[in-house]
Amino acid sequence: DTEVTQTPKHLVMGMTNKKSLKCEQHMGHRAMYWYKQKAKKPPELMFVYSYEKLSINESVPSRFSPECPNSSLLNLHLHALQPEDSALYLCASSPSQNEQFFGPGTRLTVL
Amino acid sequence: GEDVEQSLFLSVREGDSSVINCTYTDSSSTYLYWYKQEPGAGLQLLTYIFSNMDMKQDQRLTVLLNKKDKHLSLRIADTQTGDSAIYFCAEGGTDKLIFGTGTRLQVFP
Repeated sequence: DTEVTQTPKHLVMGMTNKKSLKCEQHMGHRAMYWYKQKAKKPPELMFVYSYEKLSINESVPSRFSPECPNSSLLNLHLHALQPEDSALYLCASSPSQNEQFFGPGTRLTVL
Repeated sequence: GEDVEQSLFLSVREGDSSVINCTYTDSSSTYLYWYKQEPGAGLQLLTYIFSNMDMKQDQRLTVLLNKKDKHLSLRIADTQTGDSAIYFCAEGGTDKLIFGTGTRLQVFP
C-alpha cells in the first residue's frame, strides 16, 4: 500500500454537527499532517504529528481537534464549524523531514 | 513579504516546453519541491531539489535553482494535455512546507 487515503471524500455538515475526517497510511511514515485549502489558494498547514505526538499547531481554532490514535491513522474532529471553514482538507504523510505525500482530500461544506 | 510567488497562469501548445517560475523567501530552506494538483484532487509530488544543487533532471522535468536570486523553475519538455493542472512550488526543511501561490498551466492542441 503506497498511498494516503482519506474518508469521506465529501462531507456536508451543519454548524451544530460533530463530524470527523479520517486519514490513513500504511507506508510506515513517521509524520502526518493536516492542511486546509480554500479555492484557488495554496494549502495552509494546520497540524503536524511526529511519531504520534503533536509537534506543530498553527494556531488553529479549537473547533478543529486532531487525534493520532496510532502511527497509521490521523483524525480531525470537527465541532461547531462556521461556513468559512468550508474547504478541501488534505492529509499528508512523510517518511522523513523532507518530501510529503498527499491524500486526495475531503471536500467539506458547512451550511 | 513572506509569500512564495508564482505567476498565476501559463498557456502553452501541446508539444512545446513549459517553464513555471517561483521566487521563494527562505534562503535556509533545505529542499524545494514541485507539486501538481489536478481539479478536485490532492497534491502529487513531482520532484524536489536539495538546496546545494543547481539542477535536477527527471525524465521530462528539469528543475533549476538559483540560490542567489532565490529563484526556482520547473521546465516540462514536450508538454501534453495531461499536464494541464495547477503547479505549486514549496520550500521547507523541518516538517513545515510553505507553498507558492500556484500556477495554472493550460495546454491547448
